[in-house]
Amino acid sequence: DQQVKQNSPSLSVQEGRISILNCDYTNSMFDYFLWYKKYPAEGPTFLISISSIKDKNEDGRFTVFLNKSAKHLSLHIVPSQPGDSAVYFCAASSTTEGLTFGTGTRLTIIP
Amino acid sequence: NAGVTQTPKFQVLKTGQSMTLQCAQDMNHNSMYWYRQDPGMGLRLIYYSASEGTTDKGEVPNGYNVSRLNKREFSLRLESAAPSQTSVYFCASSESKGTDYEQYFGPGTRLTVT
Repeated sequence: DQQVKQNSPSLSVQEGRISILNCDYTNSMFDYFLWYKKYPAEGPTFLISISSIKDKNEDGRFTVFLNKSAKHLSLHIVPSQPGDSAVYFCAASSTTEGLTFGTGTRLTIIP
Repeated sequence: NAGVTQTPKFQVLKTGQSMTLQCAQDMNHNSMYWYRQDPGMGLRLIYYSASEGTTDKGEVPNGYNVSRLNKREFSLRLESAAPSQTSVYFCASSESKGTDYEQYFGPGTRLTVT
């Protein structure tokens, strides 16, 4: 049973435009959400996070939105740059479950 | 400050062989983790160590053992490798196992079992 779902395996976006990556979760015990970015042959690197008591967190070009009632979060990257091309993992955390990852979305930024 | 390091980077084993994957962190983190990543799947937790001296099973612990050697080092052992254990293995650490602590990952070990 996949508790964290990223339904888009891949996404292509023109350079300079907005990239929107989506993530859905089923476990209402999750109270902290994170996005990780992964380049080939490297480990995931932390990008941005949000607590369940917030609905938005912004860090430079990256903004994460959380809709608790819909159990949905999204990552917005604007403007998108070629270096943003990577696999993005959504992850959710709870005291009992630890960190649960989605299956990832491969983002390709087209110059 | 190297962060999280893993050795080896690549390994090929025959079915039934054993090996230990090594992980070390220099961030003075209390908690350490082992994940595996398979194609089309997210990272799945194998074992974790919330603090020095403790270890607990994660989502997919069968076929693995771990040792938290000290605060810095957390090893993963495959006693009798099987083809189903072909995967990329990531070690991670965090300041604590609380819900709002980010985990920092090593570069991974790519293991093939033939």
